[in-house]
Amino acid sequence: EAGVAQSPRYKIIEKRQSVAFWCNPISGHATLYWYQQILGQGPKLLIQFQNNGVVDDSQLPKDRFSAERLKGVDSTLKIQPAKLEDSAVYLCASSLRHEGTGYTFGSGTRLTVV
Amino acid sequence: GDSVTQMEGPVTLSEEAFLTINCTYTATGYPSLFWYVQYPGEGLQLLLKATKADDKGSNKGFEATYRKETTSFHLEKGSVQVSDSAVYFCALSGNSGGSNYKLTFGKGTLLTVNP
Repeated sequence: EAGVAQSPRYKIIEKRQSVAFWCNPISGHATLYWYQQILGQGPKLLIQFQNNGVVDDSQLPKDRFSAERLKGVDSTLKIQPAKLEDSAVYLCASSLRHEGTGYTFGSGTRLTVV
Repeated sequence: GDSVTQMEGPVTLSEEAFLTINCTYTATGYPSLFWYVQYPGEGLQLLLKATKADDKGSNKGFEATYRKETTSFHLEKGSVQVSDSAVYFCALSGNSGGSNYKLTFGKGTLLTVNP
């Protein structure tokens, strides 16, 4: 079974620029998550989708972050404009069912904002 | 809301030493508990999990027991190897209080094993 695919692997941008990350979950996985992992900390949930609907986006800084999951398959996370404190690894994960045990993580996108 | 507290690192051990990384949690209901490992330059990998009280998760010589009475899920290994050097994250997932099965992570513990 193919894993969770993410791109790009690395990205360096200047502050106030925009950036987008892409995630393709495991085929058939209905639930998709975006996490932000700042250096030295545990991952923090940004947004959770069930199919193409948003389940939880309470931790998403909506003034600059947006995410979509068209057709309930792949997803894009965007930051516009970026700030220095957005430097982090952005992890995508998916699970087959909405039942809290079978998560698979992608390798992540490492964002550096300079 | 849900939270996970794990032992602050870094932890440095010699090869074949005994490892314990403490993890306690706060959650309502009956969450599932996990240990994830992140090797240098790699993504998060599930190490082991337990879905109900008194369950023991085990993998690659690592073990952790779900203790509801002490709200703990401590990670142990009897004899560590250099290849175990990584960051270890304790996490929980539940569906009470609006948690919606999201994973809540601890801050991570860096383990370095010296030959």
